[in-house]
Amino acid sequence: DGGITQSPKYLFRKEGQNVTLSCEQNLNHDAMYWYRQDPGQGLRLIYYSQIVNDFQKGDIAEGYSVSREKKESFPLTVTSAQKNPTAFYLCASTNSGNTEAFFGQGTRLTVV
Amino acid sequence: DQQVKQNSPSLSVQEGRISILNCDYTNSMFDYFLWYKKYPAEGPTFLISISSIKDKNEDGRFTVFLNKSAKHLSLHIVPSQPGDSAVYFCAASVAGYALNFGKGTSLLVTP
Repeated sequence: DGGITQSPKYLFRKEGQNVTLSCEQNLNHDAMYWYRQDPGQGLRLIYYSQIVNDFQKGDIAEGYSVSREKKESFPLTVTSAQKNPTAFYLCASTNSGNTEAFFGQGTRLTVV
Repeated sequence: DQQVKQNSPSLSVQEGRISILNCDYTNSMFDYFLWYKKYPAEGPTFLISISSIKDKNEDGRFTVFLNKSAKHLSLHIVPSQPGDSAVYFCAASVAGYALNFGKGTSLLVTP
């Protein structure tokens, strides 16, 4: 079965710690994205990557970092510089051109 | 600045009636528009899309209308069913780049 897998589903982090969220896809999609969802805010773009070894900042990239060493994988690191990291994080992928994005099931990050 | 706007945070409709969800956008370069459905603590699932060269696209009970001059699109669900209750997000993109999302409209379909 093709799809996008995000792990873990729930993640707790102490203040001041970095944490990495995993996103893997076996859809052979070129582009991958990270979004953040907060109550009443919709989905806001953090980072995206159109091709391996290349990525661009989205609207709210501060305090986050990504890598794209393999086509299938696009991990997101939430650093201690992110002021309000508690949120629901969604990873997505698309083929090139105008096609729909497929989403993972999300990771709920809570800072304790 | 939000480029895709869904000005109604919630909508309640009776089962069997039509649900109309609205979306406005500001970027005239957007050429592809999508609607997603989302349940709490899950990823959004794709519903229907429309290219800027069309003004209507239908898929079963779901129809999306695009008015480029007004920079407005809408999703019609007919007939509405209780299982349609969810948050609906409008999204738009330029030439297949990253999707810009609205804040969502929570639809409640009552029996």
